[in-house]
Amino acid sequence: DTGVSQDPRHKITKRGQNVTFRCDPISEHNRLYWYRQTLGQGPEFLTYFQNEAQLEKSRLLSDRFSAERPKGSFSTLEIQRTEQGDSAMYLCASSLYKGGNTEAFFGQGTRLTVV
Amino acid sequence: DAKTTQPNSMESNEEEPVHLPCNHSTISGTDYIHWYRQLPSQGPEYVIHGLTSNVNNRMASLAIAEDRKSSTLILHRATLRDAAVYYCILTGSNAGGTSYGKLTFGQGTILTVHP
Repeated sequence: DTGVSQDPRHKITKRGQNVTFRCDPISEHNRLYWYRQTLGQGPEFLTYFQNEAQLEKSRLLSDRFSAERPKGSFSTLEIQRTEQGDSAMYLCASSLYKGGNTEAFFGQGTRLTVV
Repeated sequence: DAKTTQPNSMESNEEEPVHLPCNHSTISGTDYIHWYRQLPSQGPEYVIHGLTSNVNNRMASLAIAEDRKSSTLILHRATLRDAAVYYCILTGSNAGGTSYGKLTFGQGTILTVHP
């Protein structure tokens, strides 16, 4: 088990470009979460999946953001028409939900810089 | 979501115990108390969680007040590797349990450990 992996680790993009990030959760984890973290702040919840179903989206997730988990394994987070305010660390986490409380395992994140 | 309040920062000396407080006066009966920590340039890492009783694991101990309105994370012997931001988070369930696992981070407590 290699833990939660995210790719790329760093991304620099020009304003207006589209970017896509990938998250590979711990195998057999049925829940996958996306968070965003800006400097000096705690992570903010964006969205989460149980298997392939997207169960909740934050109001932070504007229509420029879309997340998918097509086969219930890896997930992608796409940001269209990036803005400088999108610069942040994007964190992915996974957990094994069996009907109660559970711990989440985080990846090391993808740092996005929009110039 | 129920809120938590933590001191912005704390300091400790290496090999001394550290007591990190957290207030959660609006906690509901089904809310779990979680602690995560985030080392520099890393994703958050699970530390411990509990509901009503005190909990111990290899990383730390969690002491929960009898009225559950506060809790304390105890690091028995701080090391330099324990320098991190520590987050106290409540998780609860709505109908169907979909809130379990969604973490609402605050600003956390920055722990500095001196050699």
